[in-house]
Amino acid sequence: NAGVMQNPRHLVRRRGQEARLRCSPMKGHSHVYWYRQLPEEGLKFMVYLQKENIIDESGMPKERFSAEFPKEGPSILRIQQVVRGDSAAYFCASSPTLLGYNEQFFGPGTRLTVL
Amino acid sequence: AQSVTQLDSQVPVFEEAPVELRCNYSSSVSVYLFWYVQYPNQGLQLLLKYLSGSTLVKGINGFEAEFNKSQTSFHLRKPSVHISDTAEYFCAVSEETSGSRLTFGEGTQLTVNP
Repeated sequence: NAGVMQNPRHLVRRRGQEARLRCSPMKGHSHVYWYRQLPEEGLKFMVYLQKENIIDESGMPKERFSAEFPKEGPSILRIQQVVRGDSAAYFCASSPTLLGYNEQFFGPGTRLTVL
Repeated sequence: AQSVTQLDSQVPVFEEAPVELRCNYSSSVSVYLFWYVQYPNQGLQLLLKYLSGSTLVKGINGFEAEFNKSQTSFHLRKPSVHISDTAEYFCAVSEETSGSRLTFGEGTQLTVNP
């Protein structure tokens, strides 16, 4: 039973380019969360999605960032016109339901470096 | 809104010594509490969680944590650490009313020296 998969594991972009991060949840999980970990900091919630729905995007920057979880395929976190401050590790997690007591299973992360 | 404070950013200990990693939280509603471990360049792995019931929770790798509602704390302990326990440890909380969204502390780097 494969865990949460994220790709790519490492991504290098120049300022102004676009970054696309992919997340495939665990089998049977329909809830996906994205978190960002800046250097020397803890993880910060960005967005929570179910299939075809954004449930909570209160942690997403207002501009340049978007997320989707289509009916088929992985969840995508998209960052347009990247800046150096976007350099961070981006983690995806999945859970089987939305209930707060459910464990979230984390992927290995995508480490984004903006040159 | 909930918040989590991990009181120590770094904790160095010698192998086979006991360790306590401290975590305090604030919330206006009932919460669920979690401890995750992150090894270098990896994702987070759940160590243990408190949902309800007994305030002493046992997790994997010999770790345990105690929920103290009056002190709003959820400290992580291990009686005897190994070199392999060297990692970053994160305390996290989710509220009953906000779904599964997790709020994390800043992390504690545990370094076990021989």
